[in-house]
Amino acid sequence: AQSVTQLGSHVSVSEGALVLLRCNYSSSVPPYLFWYVQYPNQGLQLLLKYTTGATLVKGINGFEAEFKKSETSFHLTKPSAHMSDAAEYFCAVGNFNKFYFGSGTKLNVKP
Amino acid sequence: ETGVTQTPRHLVMGMTNKKSLKCEQHLGHNAMYWYKQSAKKPLELMFVYNFKEQTENNSVPSRFSPECPNSSHLFLHLHTLQPEDSALYLCASSQEKGVDTQYFGPGTRLTVL
Repeated sequence: AQSVTQLGSHVSVSEGALVLLRCNYSSSVPPYLFWYVQYPNQGLQLLLKYTTGATLVKGINGFEAEFKKSETSFHLTKPSAHMSDAAEYFCAVGNFNKFYFGSGTKLNVKP
Repeated sequence: ETGVTQTPRHLVMGMTNKKSLKCEQHLGHNAMYWYKQSAKKPLELMFVYNFKEQTENNSVPSRFSPECPNSSHLFLHLHTLQPEDSALYLCASSQEKGVDTQYFGPGTRLTVL
């Protein structure tokens, strides 16, 4: 069975600090991997995705994620948090013609 | 209009009402999806349509009735809902069903009284 695990339903960082949101997946075949962001009362917006090729993927708003096959991880990072980054972040895996979302991580950014 | 639009953005209905949610995508995609997002629960896939044909129904109660008249439009007809059906209902589309990137609408916030 395919699954996506996001460690930590809530993460709090100070403005200017490193953001690290964790995502691990299980998949029997190389998956497509995605990170989405959701601001309050809005839909999900694609941040970045990995399909094939370079394992370090850069996305919008200064975010990036690295696909680590040996660790079955696709953690999302941003060097310096901004207040506007406060939102909920979803990791997703696509394979076998299906899409699986993680349960989400709410990021709080403190001034 | 660009992307995926949903109307209405907010809906309050009684348990005996009948209402419909509308989704329209302007991306030329072939697959469309309905998701339910409740507080403190993961995103739940409800229905998948591919080239207007329903390909997935994830054990959704019959009080939710989807309709896809063409690849650009998707409806969710609601009748005799329960208070626990209150949630954010999200529509998404992708070029093809499966692992393609899904693009989401802003959602309809539904409250059932």
